[in-house]
Amino acid sequence: DQQVKQNSPSLSVQEGRISILNCDYTNSMFDYFLWYKKYPAEGPTFLISISSIKDKNEDGRFTVFLNKSAKHLSLHIVPSQPGDSAVYFCAASAEKSSGDKLTFGTGTRLAVRP
Amino acid sequence: GAGVSQSPRYKVAKRGQDVALRCDPISGHVSLFWYQQALGQGPEFLTYFQNEAQLDKSGLPSDRFFAERPEGSVSTLKIQRTQQEDSAVYLCASSLGFYQPQHFGDGTRLSIL
Repeated sequence: DQQVKQNSPSLSVQEGRISILNCDYTNSMFDYFLWYKKYPAEGPTFLISISSIKDKNEDGRFTVFLNKSAKHLSLHIVPSQPGDSAVYFCAASAEKSSGDKLTFGTGTRLAVRP
Repeated sequence: GAGVSQSPRYKVAKRGQDVALRCDPISGHVSLFWYQQALGQGPEFLTYFQNEAQLDKSGLPSDRFFAERPEGSVSTLKIQRTQQEDSAVYLCASSLGFYQPQHFGDGTRLSIL
């Protein structure tokens, strides 16, 4: 039972344009969401998070949007840079009910073309 | 550096051997997590410590897996009588607590022959 889904295994974007990565979840108890970036042979690197009391959080070029009614979140990267090429994982936790263990999606590989 | 440190980076063992994987979390982080990542998948939760207390071990796949964090800092994940399906990357993460991001080490890639 995949509680966090990233339905696009890959995405290719031109440098300077916007990258939009999507994530859907099924567990209505999730109340904290995070995005991680992963390079080969390295661990996931934390990018940005959002709690369920908000619908948007911004940090530099990265913005995360949360739509609780649709159980959907997205990560926007503007402008995209070649160094952003990596695998991006969406993760969620149900802090109030299950503690802060994370449930991850299967990842989306982003390629930013120069 | 100040990040999460894992050792060894790579471990090859024969089926049936015992292995021990070490995690040194970020100083001051009370929460420590272990995850298992198979090829092409996202990390999957194994177990969680708050200081030295193991509060959740619901993700451990069998009783061959156990973890400890005796002094509330360094943690060891031990796998006894390894099997081929144990081959994966084992990731450790630490955080300051609830609603705080987890920071990951680079993992240990375990290969069972």
